[in-house]
Amino acid sequence: GQQVMQIPQYQHVQEGEDFTTYCNSSTTLSNIQWYKQRPGGHPVFLIQLVKSGEVKKQKRLTFQFGEAKKNSSLHITATQTTDVGTYFCAAYSGNTPLVFGKGTRLSVIA
Amino acid sequence: ETGVTQTPRHLVMGMTNKKSLKCEQHLGHNAMYWYKQSAKKPLELMFVYSLEERVENNSVPSRFSPECPNSSHLFLHLHTLQPEDSALYLCASSLYRADTQYFGPGTRLTVL
Repeated sequence: GQQVMQIPQYQHVQEGEDFTTYCNSSTTLSNIQWYKQRPGGHPVFLIQLVKSGEVKKQKRLTFQFGEAKKNSSLHITATQTTDVGTYFCAAYSGNTPLVFGKGTRLSVIA
Repeated sequence: ETGVTQTPRHLVMGMTNKKSLKCEQHLGHNAMYWYKQSAKKPLELMFVYSLEERVENNSVPSRFSPECPNSSHLFLHLHTLQPEDSALYLCASSLYRADTQYFGPGTRLTVL
């Protein structure tokens, strides 16, 4: 079945440093969604990208969808302790259910 | 957020017990999901229901039995579980299968 590979698995940064997580698929995706799960919490939807080359911003978060619609990235500028959590990408392709990546766990050291 | 609720929030059960997890969504969604989240497999899709019909069953052992009596409620019946079934069980819903998923708070299950 379809797989979505997400890297890195873990990332430790100093507060104020930037952070990026990447999501890759071998197949063309219809859309890609990003979720954040705080420690002890549940995944919460952040954003959806649909168009080739699409870039969306939410304050310090920048989301990109690749031109070939096979990869995506989430970049956080100047991380804060509130950014701690696991970031999941999730992709839809054809008639399959949403497929989640394994997530990137972000730790921010104050 | 109260769109998707799950009960109980915590459950401890023995391997011979029978219990049920309940999920309820108040969002008017047509699709509901059960996920298992553990350290080994962060988000493992178990079952998908669309318009009350089971459309996905990802090779889940028969000791897990889902039930969807209507579009707002989803149950996961548990019996003769194993210690390796200990995990966080998350319920989610979406308007349609390809849409944004809204997750409940989860049930933390411990099997002794």
